[in-house]
Amino acid sequence: AQSVTQPDIHITVSEGASLELRCNYSYGATPYLFWYVQSPGQGLQLLLKYFSGDTLVQGIKGFEAEFKRSQSSFNLRKPSVHWSDAAEYFCAPRSEAAGNKLTFGGGTRVLVKP
Amino acid sequence: ETGVTQTPRHLVMGMTNKKSLKCEQHLGHNAMYWYKQSAKKPLELMFVYSLEERVENNSVPSRFSPECPNSSHLFLHLHTLQPEDSALYLCASSQVMRGESTDTQYFGPGTRLTVL
Repeated sequence: AQSVTQPDIHITVSEGASLELRCNYSYGATPYLFWYVQSPGQGLQLLLKYFSGDTLVQGIKGFEAEFKRSQSSFNLRKPSVHWSDAAEYFCAPRSEAAGNKLTFGGGTRVLVKP
Repeated sequence: ETGVTQTPRHLVMGMTNKKSLKCEQHLGHNAMYWYKQSAKKPLELMFVYSLEERVENNSVPSRFSPECPNSSHLFLHLHTLQPEDSALYLCASSQVMRGESTDTQYFGPGTRLTVL
């Protein structure tokens, strides 16, 4: 069965430090991959997506993600975190084998220390 | 208005009430979705409408009734809900093309529902 895992429920990072959020998936074929961010009291905003091609994907707000087929991972990174990056982040694979549905991970909540 | 809007943003209702959630998308998309986001549970897809036709119903209880009168509007009619239905209900839209699955979903801000 298809599944997605975000191993870290909470991450605390100092402002200005780097951030990496992990996402691992288990699908028969490489799915399309999305990262969304949800600020408190808000809906989900698309950060970036990977369909094919270059395995390093640039997104909005200075985020990037790297697709690694061998590790079935699509980790999200940001070199220098800002206080406004405090939010919950969701990885969401999607594949035809899973009925073209977005399957959301459990999310990682990021806290930013001054 | 731009993007995907949802009203109301907050709703408190009793178990015997009937209420409706509204979603409107201003992106010219042809597919709309309802998701439920509960505390400590992943986002759950409830319903999908593509070209105003319901194409997905993920075993949602009949006390939730969706309606999609046109490609820009989506409703979720609620009746005799239970306290465990309290959650954030998110609407999304996308532009679906036949034979492709690369569409991107754009989400509204959600309606925070509390059932007393």
